[in-house]
Amino acid sequence: SYVLTQAPSVSVAPGQTARITCGGINIGGKSVNWYQHKPGEAPVLVIYDDVDRPSGIPERFSGSNSGNTATLTVTRVEAGDEADYYCQVWDSSSDQWVFGGGTKLTVL
Amino acid sequence: QVTLKESGPALVKPTQTLTLTCSFSGFSLSAGGMCVSWVRQPPGKALEWLALIGWDDETYYKTSLRTRLTISKDTSRNEVVLTMTNVDPLDTATYFCVRLWQRSTTACSDVFEIWGQGTMVTVSS
Repeated sequence: SYVLTQAPSVSVAPGQTARITCGGINIGGKSVNWYQHKPGEAPVLVIYDDVDRPSGIPERFSGSNSGNTATLTVTRVEAGDEADYYCQVWDSSSDQWVFGGGTKLTVL
Repeated sequence: QVTLKESGPALVKPTQTLTLTCSFSGFSLSAGGMCVSWVRQPPGKALEWLALIGWDDETYYKTSLRTRLTISKDTSRNEVVLTMTNVDPLDTATYFCVRLWQRSTTACSDVFEIWGQGTMVTVSS
């Protein structure tokens, strides 16, 4: 089955830029979605279709996808952005919805 | 306003069958393209997709759990039920019910749009 690989953790200082990557074979050919998950809360969709933001998500959140890597970028990071972030795709070859292993964003 | 709420036992013994119910409002699961899924998160681990059911009763299961899972819907009661047989302590997790984004009327989308708060299930003797 299709595998998505994420680094376990990323740390940035407030005001800096965080880049969270998601690796997968030819992931550039798939549509990638990103979710923010804070402890005790429901996950929240922050990016869909590689680059689009749902209404209510700040412009500081952006996405890209090419080759074997998709990236979620958070600019001007705030303390409130501290959370686990998951990438997700639909694997059409197996009809499986797949999540990455998650990346914990720590704001120093 | 769309809401989903999970319910079920907090504690289940190994080898038993777990039944979870997702009660939702704000949409109809009989509408074309509407789909609901279950996702779980073991303590300290990642999100894991489990199963999905569509408006047309089409079902999809995580390959490695296919033999243990059954997802069903009761459109009149606005409920989706997930059963998991022969549970193991490794099935201890928070289980989330999720509505997928209705992007067409003929297929389930790939986007998990609206999530319930989740229900914690512990498997232990």
